[in-house]
Amino acid sequence: GAGVSQSPSNKVTEKGKDVELRCDPISGHTALYWYRQSLGQGLEFLIYFQGNSAPDKSGLPSDRFSAERTGGSVSTLTIQRTQQEDSAVYLCASTPDRNSGNTIYFGEGSWLTVV
Amino acid sequence: GDSVTQMEGPVTLSEEAFLTINCTYTATGYPSLFWYVQYPGEGLQLLLKATKADDKGSNKGFEATYRKETTSFHLEKGSVQVSDSAVYFCALRGVGTGGFKTIFGAGTRLFVKA
Repeated sequence: GAGVSQSPSNKVTEKGKDVELRCDPISGHTALYWYRQSLGQGLEFLIYFQGNSAPDKSGLPSDRFSAERTGGSVSTLTIQRTQQEDSAVYLCASTPDRNSGNTIYFGEGSWLTVV
Repeated sequence: GDSVTQMEGPVTLSEEAFLTINCTYTATGYPSLFWYVQYPGEGLQLLLKATKADDKGSNKGFEATYRKETTSFHLEKGSVQVSDSAVYFCALRGVGTGGFKTIFGAGTRLFVKA
């Protein structure tokens, strides 16, 4: 597609359940990022992929969070045993990553509500 | 590590007022600097950028100059409109582990009253 695509756009889940969030980046973009935006908060970096490898996972808040990327394209962010504090918008972004001046392009986000 | 600090909001202005949103950064090396904007109900999008010292980025009447000596990238607009009401994020993009990493400030919400 023309832009970064995320699914689901909205997800309501019960506390303790696992959720998977999907990101389909812009074709040809080698770098992919996951960020989290809580209500009224800024952007919190979660993880960065270069191709299929994740050189920087420093932002994952706990071991309940994991992410993978396959084929240098689609990425999945998995949250296990969800907690209410996981409620947020999860944003995916991609970029060609050829130099520092590259713009990163965001998807519309996946709104997660844990009840 | 690299970081971005921007002024806390919300900022409330009347239409046609002058806008400044301060942004300072700490970084090793020579990052590129960005302002992203998030309009109500929309996704984040690039507003403007500057890739080296003394460069000025501009778009939609907004401007920001990359000041290496003061490590700043303040956003300005001479006359704001109601349609400028949004959340503005300052960001830097520099060399990270295994590639380039983009770090965002906390965001500044702007309300413009008619």
